[in-house]
Amino acid sequence: GAVVSQHPSWVICKSGTSVKIECRSLDFQATTMFWYRQFPKQSLMLMATSNEGSKATYEQGVEKDKFLINHASLTLSTLTVTSAHPEDSSFYICSAGLAGGVEQYFGPGTRLTVT
Amino acid sequence: GENVEQHPSTLSVQEGDSAVIKCTYSDSASNYFPWYKQELGKGPQLIIDIRSNVGEKKDQRIAVTLNKTAKHFSLHITETQPEDSAVYFCAASRGYQLIWGAGTKLIIKP
Repeated sequence: GAVVSQHPSWVICKSGTSVKIECRSLDFQATTMFWYRQFPKQSLMLMATSNEGSKATYEQGVEKDKFLINHASLTLSTLTVTSAHPEDSSFYICSAGLAGGVEQYFGPGTRLTVT
Repeated sequence: GENVEQHPSTLSVQEGDSAVIKCTYSDSASNYFPWYKQELGKGPQLIIDIRSNVGEKKDQRIAVTLNKTAKHFSLHITETQPEDSAVYFCAASRGYQLIWGAGTKLIIKP
């Protein structure tokens, strides 16, 4: 149980374009979803927290107009990197949590490369 | 602010030996402490967790201990195997969010 998928697993895009990453909870309803960014050999950095049906809460220093998060249903959240630049290249990971719980279940991650 | 310190950053042990990774946290309100295993190019996988009303929890070769007074918790892996090689992260709850340690790269020597 508690399986989270992400799509795509890797993506290459050109500078200036936008790319959307999907995060799905496959066998449970996720009231809350989290988006993380991870640089090589570093820990996870929380970007934002999204709750179904409401606006995402972004961490300090994360541009909300650049990283658009939509949590339209209890099983799907999307992260759109707008006007991507090479410095946005990173490993993006989502996690999902059950209602009332603090446990987080992670997706497999998405490797974004911006050329 | 709240932080979680994790040591060591790299741990190399002989196959079959035990490995111990330690974390300390600063927020006394933290009440949930998970450990995740991350293999290269993959998302973190929850391997064991413990809540503040418990001092120790065990699952086969993996155990976690918690000392609330000292605000530290540890991951113990016994009889290590090659497939245990990975990066391990500890975390502590802050409300419904997690504060992460820096990670420990565990190397199992054959």
